Amino acid sequence: SFELAQPPSVSVSPGLTATITCSGEKLANKFSSWYQQKPGQSPLLLIYQDSKRPSGVPDRFSGSNSGDALTLTISETQALDEADYFCQAWDSRAGMVFGGGTKLTVL
Amino acid sequence: VQLLESGGGNVQPGGSLRISCAATGFSFSTYAMAWVRQAPGKGLQWVSSISGSDGTTYYADSVRGRFTISRDNSKNTVSLQMNSLTVEDTAVYFCAKDLSGGATVSTCDYWGQGTQVTVSS
Repeated sequence: SFELAQPPSVSVSPGLTATITCSGEKLANKFSSWYQQKPGQSPLLLIYQDSKRPSGVPDRFSGSNSGDALTLTISETQALDEADYFCQAWDSRAGMVFGGGTKLTVL
Repeated sequence: VQLLESGGGNVQPGGSLRISCAATGFSFSTYAMAWVRQAPGKGLQWVSSISGSDGTTYYADSVRGRFTISRDNSKNTVSLQMNSLTVEDTAVYFCAKDLSGGATVSTCDYWGQGTQVTVSS
């Protein structure tokens, strides 16, 4: 079955670039999305169709799909970016599939 | 856009519960809707989706045959009837809207605040 794998945690220093990866099979023919979730809040859509940003999402957030992996890049990371990040893709058999989530720590 | 879930609560294993989501601020019948759940301390798990116009339904394997999604386009609501509940169904259940108006939900652009469902004896 289709699955997405993320590292459980990533740490970054303020002002530097954070990279969160998400691996899965046959990603080249799937559009991906990324969501940010802060404690006690609902998920927020950050990236859709691999690299597009909804209005209101800072351009510090960017996404890409290499076919082998999805990548979320956060440049000039700020303390307020500390959150859980989930990748997601749609599979014709499995439906909406989410990665397990990555906790980003800014320290 | 606002999505407001209701109907969560405590239920015993084997019991049933119906949760609903009231939607405002967009052309409801145009968009597919989904339920996504999050168990305590865990990640996001898609549960079910329903198309906007013809009501085609989709289910995760873990709930197929036990849960039923439905919508009422005249009332701008989507509901999830949950039967034969187990402790593994304990989670916050989020209602979410599809981004693009396709036949199913491939990306969620708006989410409700969630409703807690606890299955415990």
